[in-house]
Amino acid sequence: GDSVTQMEGPVTLSEEAFLTINCTYTATGYPSLFWYVQYPGEGLQLLLKATKADDKGSNKGFEATYRKETTSFHLEKGSVQVSDSAVYFCALTRQAGTALIFGKGTTLSVSS
Amino acid sequence: GAVVSQHPSRVICKSGTSVKIECRSLDFQATTMFWYRQFPKKSLMLMATSNEGSKATYEQGVEKDKFLINHASLTLSTLTVTSAHPEDSSFYICSARDRRALDEQFFGPGTRLTVL
Repeated sequence: GDSVTQMEGPVTLSEEAFLTINCTYTATGYPSLFWYVQYPGEGLQLLLKATKADDKGSNKGFEATYRKETTSFHLEKGSVQVSDSAVYFCALTRQAGTALIFGKGTTLSVSS
Repeated sequence: GAVVSQHPSRVICKSGTSVKIECRSLDFQATTMFWYRQFPKKSLMLMATSNEGSKATYEQGVEKDKFLINHASLTLSTLTVTSAHPEDSSFYICSARDRRALDEQFFGPGTRLTVL
């Protein structure tokens, strides 16, 4: 079945460091790919998404490119801030309106 | 932006009792709501898909009679954990799909259930 694998955390960085969180997926067809973020005590929020191969999703300085050839959707940010500390989830859906399939989440901790 | 609320945010109950969790879309109509369960250090696991006015569709391995889901209106879905046991202790999260934006889901803040 469909699945999402993302790097285990926690990831600990200093402020202004470069961030990469790896995400790969297994799915038939052409799924839509998402990154969600969960700040402490809050619900999941959509960070960015991409719906077809080679699309780049971006938001708040974060980027991820849908790579069909490597079945990957790695999350990157050039300069992290303390406020980026959260849990990040990679996810996919097979078709619009269906449930999301999540990776296990990666905890990011940024210190000043 | 679209807001989804859950109530209660935290509940502690005795083994054998039933607990109801509400999920509401506050500023949009949700024809579909999803219920997830999150274990410590693990991902969110889909439990069931709830469509307004019809029976919920449960994922394999999820007991329908134990986790009762009702989606009686376009803004409210409820999950009732019946005869709760300690192994049901978990973090339950709902999400709602705005009927106007098919590929986006909005998540509630979650409910922490502890069964003693």
